[in-house]
Amino acid sequence: DTGVSQDPRHKITKRGQNVTFRCDPISEHNRLYWYRQTLGQGPEFLTYFQNEAQLEKSRLLSDRFSAERPKGSFSTLEIQRTEQGDSAMYLCASSAPTVNTQYFGPGTRLTVL
Amino acid sequence: SQKIEQNSEALNIQEGKTATLTCNYTNYSPAYLQWYRQDPGRGPVFLLLIRENEKEKRKERLKVTFDTTLKQSLFHITASQPADSATYLCALEANAGNMLTFGGGTRLMVKP
Repeated sequence: DTGVSQDPRHKITKRGQNVTFRCDPISEHNRLYWYRQTLGQGPEFLTYFQNEAQLEKSRLLSDRFSAERPKGSFSTLEIQRTEQGDSAMYLCASSAPTVNTQYFGPGTRLTVL
Repeated sequence: SQKIEQNSEALNIQEGKTATLTCNYTNYSPAYLQWYRQDPGRGPVFLLLIRENEKEKRKERLKVTFDTTLKQSLFHITASQPADSATYLCALEANAGNMLTFGGGTRLMVKP
């Protein structure tokens, strides 16, 4: 499968715990995006990378959230001290140079108890 | 503030009819407008992109129109099939390669 992959697909955690999600983009794609989606809403932008550089961050990305993309390949999104309001689907997408189309992964569903 | 509105109520149509979904936006000047399909528990899948200087785009049974004066896009599915049942999201992009700003989506139900 050469699409965007995300791991894990589901994560249940207790409030206050830290969680980390991984995204593997399509191999030749240099741009990588993170979005968050809650039930009944469209995805909301969190942050994006071009190669290893993090170029933009949303105001939604509080200090408890951090994203990395070492070596411009896979990316990780970490949430520290999780809160119940962090429960959502976290989506990763990637796109190729000079192409607007974003290809989304299946998402990681986070449930904070 | 930027706002993208899609009909939050589900659209129910009969198989074979044309489905028309609406996307309206305010306080935004997108260079591109995209439509995605999303099935339950899955990530969005790209369908069509239309540029600000284009009026209409077609792909098989799909047609998108883009009116930058009205700040509106219409998405049509002709000869609809039950397999077209899904949530359809419109997304705006200010510049190529930038983030997408999504509407809330419209759920389409095609009945056999």
